[in-house]
Amino acid sequence: GAGVSQSPRYKVAKRGQDVALRCDPISGHVSLFWYQQALGQGPEFLTYFQNEAQLDKSGLPSDRFFAERPEGSVSTLKIQRTQQEDSAVYLCASSLPGNSETQYFGPGTRLLVL
Amino acid sequence: QQQVKQSPQSLIVQKGGISIINCAYENTAFDYFPWYQQFPGKGPALLIAIRPDVSEKKEGRFTISFNKSAKQFSLHIMDSQPGDSATYFCAASKAGGATNKLIFGTGTLLAVQP
Repeated sequence: GAGVSQSPRYKVAKRGQDVALRCDPISGHVSLFWYQQALGQGPEFLTYFQNEAQLDKSGLPSDRFFAERPEGSVSTLKIQRTQQEDSAVYLCASSLPGNSETQYFGPGTRLLVL
Repeated sequence: QQQVKQSPQSLIVQKGGISIINCAYENTAFDYFPWYQQFPGKGPALLIAIRPDVSEKKEGRFTISFNKSAKQFSLHIMDSQPGDSATYFCAASKAGGATNKLIFGTGTLLAVQP
């Protein structure tokens, strides 16, 4: 079956622009995670959804970062007024109900802020 | 504060050899320890995982060894192959909270020489 998909795969933004990154989780997966992966580093947790409820947003680095999942399926991570330090790969992961430990990752969106 | 420490940063192994990657954690509340494999341009993929109630888990050529008292766990890749060349991440999470977010190590770049 189809895995987690993310779009766009690559995004170049000028400093100060707003960007929106999309995640399509595996069908039936109620848990959805966003991670940020800087170059040469491990992924770092940003936020977590269970269905449409955002249960944990403790990893969002600033109020410029906003995530939503209005219908409990597709999720969008929005970054306002992008800064150069926002350049990273943004990974989305989803997991089955009752087994959110096993997370399936998408290919990520590579964001470059110039 | 780095909750999961991983070493070495990079590793070169001859084909057929054993690759060993080590991780140490600090939070005794962690109770799930997965290893992820990541190829360039791809998202991390779950390789193998262990819980602290067992000291070893083997799946094919991949083995996790777990030392609860030392708060350490390691990945052993037997009969390493060039196709195993990738970046490997250890991770940890704790159940019972609102999220099962993964805390990742910094990664090990493995190169298996033919």
